[in-house]
Amino acid sequence: NAGVMQNPRHLVRRRGQEARLRCSPMKGHSHVYWYRQLPEEGLKFMVYLQKENIIDESGMPKERFSAEFPKEGPSILRIQQVVRGDSAAYFCASSRDLNVLTFGAGSRLTVL
Amino acid sequence: SQELEQSPQSLIVQEGKNLTINCTSSKTLYGLYWYKQKYGEGLIFLMMLQKGGEEKSHEKITAKLDEKKQQSSLHITASQPSHAGIYLCGADRGGSRLTFGEGTQLTVNP
Repeated sequence: NAGVMQNPRHLVRRRGQEARLRCSPMKGHSHVYWYRQLPEEGLKFMVYLQKENIIDESGMPKERFSAEFPKEGPSILRIQQVVRGDSAAYFCASSRDLNVLTFGAGSRLTVL
Repeated sequence: SQELEQSPQSLIVQEGKNLTINCTSSKTLYGLYWYKQKYGEGLIFLMMLQKGGEEKSHEKITAKLDEKKQQSSLHITASQPSHAGIYLCGADRGGSRLTFGEGTQLTVNP
């Protein structure tokens, strides 16, 4: 019974490149959440998705960031034209029926 | 100001000592979650509290929710090096997301 799987665990990008982070929720979980943890800061909510739908994206930056959770395959957080300030740990969590969140190990993005 | 304030920000204790971490909300709590994070890893769920006055225990960790004061406390008895990590409280705001405090860094010296 695999937990929430995130990949890559570490990603290095140069300024202006694109970053794609993937998240496979736990089996049976239909709710996916993305959180960002900046250095020396707390965990901040970004977006909440169900299959093929964005339910709440109130924490997403207005530009360059997008998220999807297609009918088939993992959820993807996409960051276009990355800047140094995007360097952070990005965590995905999943839940069943809006219950306890189960977190993945995170994807650590470094922008050079 | 933060919606959730955790105190202390960091804590260093000797193995075997008891300790308490506090979490205070500026808004009404519908539910309060405690997670633990080890460096470089994800969050591990510890406990969820939903009712005022509720108290839950797991092994040597006890969490309480004082709904009137909008506070929760996490108490560790006879701490061990395995308890070291960052403890995060998260508040369910009645919607689809959790709002987290900034965490308490716990170090347990053998």
